[in-house]
Amino acid sequence: EVQLVESGGGLVQPGRSLRLSCTASGFTFGDYAMSWVRQAPGKGLEWVGFIRSKAYGGTTEYAASVKGRFTISRDDSKSIAYLQMNSLKTEDTAVYYCTRVRCSSTSCYQLDYWGQGTLVTVSS
Amino acid sequence: DIQMTQSPSSLSASVGDRVTITCQASQDISNYLNWYQQKPGKAPKLLIYDASNLETGVPSRFSGSGSGTDFTFTISSLQPEDIATYYCQQYDNLPQEGFTFGPGTKVDIK
Repeated sequence: EVQLVESGGGLVQPGRSLRLSCTASGFTFGDYAMSWVRQAPGKGLEWVGFIRSKAYGGTTEYAASVKGRFTISRDDSKSIAYLQMNSLKTEDTAVYYCTRVRCSSTSCYQLDYWGQGTLVTVSS
Repeated sequence: DIQMTQSPSSLSASVGDRVTITCQASQDISNYLNWYQQKPGKAPKLLIYDASNLETGVPSRFSGSGSGTDFTFTISSLQPEDIATYYCQQYDNLPQEGFTFGPGTKVDIK
């Protein structure tokens, strides 16, 4: 059974940093791209970014709203994906979901499994 | 940028009713469209991929259709457990724009 478990959320002041982790099990982690999606309280879903598998270069893509502030990385030996969030703003307050991504060599397609999410609150 | 719109934003229907949600893209996205269900307090779940393909394990009362700019999501016979918000999501313009979600349609029981 595929499982994704996020951790690391909490209350943080504006301008500070936070790192989220996503621990995966039930599939060969290194074979898949991984993505982060967030949801502000009472709002819709916003894609944050994703990291390709090493087979496809392990490269990353980000939404314009977080580019330059957020970094996604992965440790395939531990089956963990990370979201490093720097220079946090109040508008980054959201539940952050980790997702598995279906990709081919040419593109990515669906977010097929989701974790339960972890809440990040940015407030002074 | 590709913009996604959904209508209605919310609806209320009776158990057994046929429910239809539409999703429109601001430009042609072929069939690069997925549908997700998010129950209250839960993570989203993939229901339909590539506009019309049912994800494994998803009940057959859910279906999707469309291509180009106009898409439809249908629940053929609404059940109490279908109370959720439904989101469409495009992936036509990866990686430049990532995965763009529609604003969602909230479905509840009348």
